[in-house]
Amino acid sequence: GAGVSQSPSNKVTEKGKDVELRCDPISGHTALYWYRQSLGQGLEFLIYFQGNSAPDKSGLPSDRFSAERTGGSVSTLTIQRTQQEDSAVYLCASRTGGSYNEQFFGPGTRLTVL
Amino acid sequence: AQSVTQLGSHVSVSEGALVLLRCNYSSSVPPYLFWYVQYPNQGLQLLLKYTSAATLVKGINGFEAEFKKSETSFHLTKPSAHMSDAAEYFCAVRPLLTGNEKLTFGTGTRLTIIP
Repeated sequence: GAGVSQSPSNKVTEKGKDVELRCDPISGHTALYWYRQSLGQGLEFLIYFQGNSAPDKSGLPSDRFSAERTGGSVSTLTIQRTQQEDSAVYLCASRTGGSYNEQFFGPGTRLTVL
Repeated sequence: AQSVTQLGSHVSVSEGALVLLRCNYSSSVPPYLFWYVQYPNQGLQLLLKYTSAATLVKGINGFEAEFKKSETSFHLTKPSAHMSDAAEYFCAVRPLLTGNEKLTFGTGTRLTIIP
């Protein structure tokens, strides 16, 4: 079956521009997560969705970062006024069933801010 | 706050030798523990998980890990390394409490296999 997909796979943008990153979770998975992987910080949690609501946004690094999820499916992570320190690989994961179940990860979007 | 420590950012072993990747967690209550593997330019793939059932957990690709509460450890092992095991390995922790869903990852260990 289809796994978690993310688009674009690579994104190069200029400092100050806004970017949108998309995540298509596995069909039927109610939980969705965003993580960021960078050389300096390793793998960091950003935000968690259960259905369309986000009970945990504690990992969003600043108010330039926001995310939404519609229809309990696709999620978009938006970064406004990008900065060079936003350069990283943004990973999306989804999960079904109990909270101890596996999170399935997508291949990530590599964001480079020039 | 929960955390995990992975000792050794780089580990090299010879093909056919034992693989041992170390992970220690910090938590007052034993959490859920996971090992993920990341191959170059790919996403994370679950190797195995501990969810308070058996302390010796077997995963994919011949890997296993043993949960030791007294040592707060969850080290990953494989008896005989294969060239295809070269990748980065991440230990992760998630608390038992529901409602706190996020995984906290270690800094990763890059495994190199020497032919």
